[in-house]
Amino acid sequence: DQQVKQNSPSLSVQEGRISILNCDYTNSMFDYFLWYKKYPAEGPTFLISISSIKDKNEDGRFTVFLNKSAKHLSLHIVPSQPGDSAVYFCAASEDTDKLIFGTGTRLQVFP
Amino acid sequence: NAGVMQNPRHLVRRRGQEARLRCSPMKGHSHVYWYRQLPEEGLKFMVYLQKENIIDESGMPKERFSAEFPKEGPSILRIQQVVRGDSAAYFCASSPGPREQYFGPGTRLTVT
Repeated sequence: DQQVKQNSPSLSVQEGRISILNCDYTNSMFDYFLWYKKYPAEGPTFLISISSIKDKNEDGRFTVFLNKSAKHLSLHIVPSQPGDSAVYFCAASEDTDKLIFGTGTRLQVFP
Repeated sequence: NAGVMQNPRHLVRRRGQEARLRCSPMKGHSHVYWYRQLPEEGLKFMVYLQKENIIDESGMPKERFSAEFPKEGPSILRIQQVVRGDSAAYFCASSPGPREQYFGPGTRLTVT
């Protein structure tokens, strides 16, 4: 049972444009959500997080939106840069415990 | 402040051997998590430890796998009698408390 889903395995965006990565979840008990970026042969790097008491969190070029009623969150990257090309994972947690990861979306930013 | 360190980065074991994976958390972090990533999949939680305590091992296979985080030294993930299906990337993460987890570079285990 996949509690966190990233339905788009890949996304291709032109440099300078907006990248929107989506994530859906099924467990209404999740109260904290995170996005990680991962390059090949490296560990995931924390990008941004959001608590369930908020609907938006912004950090530089990265903004995460949370829609609790739809059980949906998204990561916006504006403007997209070639260095953003990586696999992006969303993750969720309940209380203070383990992270449940989605299967990832491979973002490619082309010139 | 050094990040989460894992060693070895690559480990090759023959079927039936033991694999020991080490994780040194970031300085000041007392929470350690282990995750496994199979090819083309996301990371799957295995175990959550604090110093000398296993807090949640709900993701650990019932047999052959064990983990510890002693009072002194790194956290160890131990896999006994490895099989080909154990081949994966194993990631350790640490945190100072709840919430954000910071990941190490991973250990890529190959079982031949």
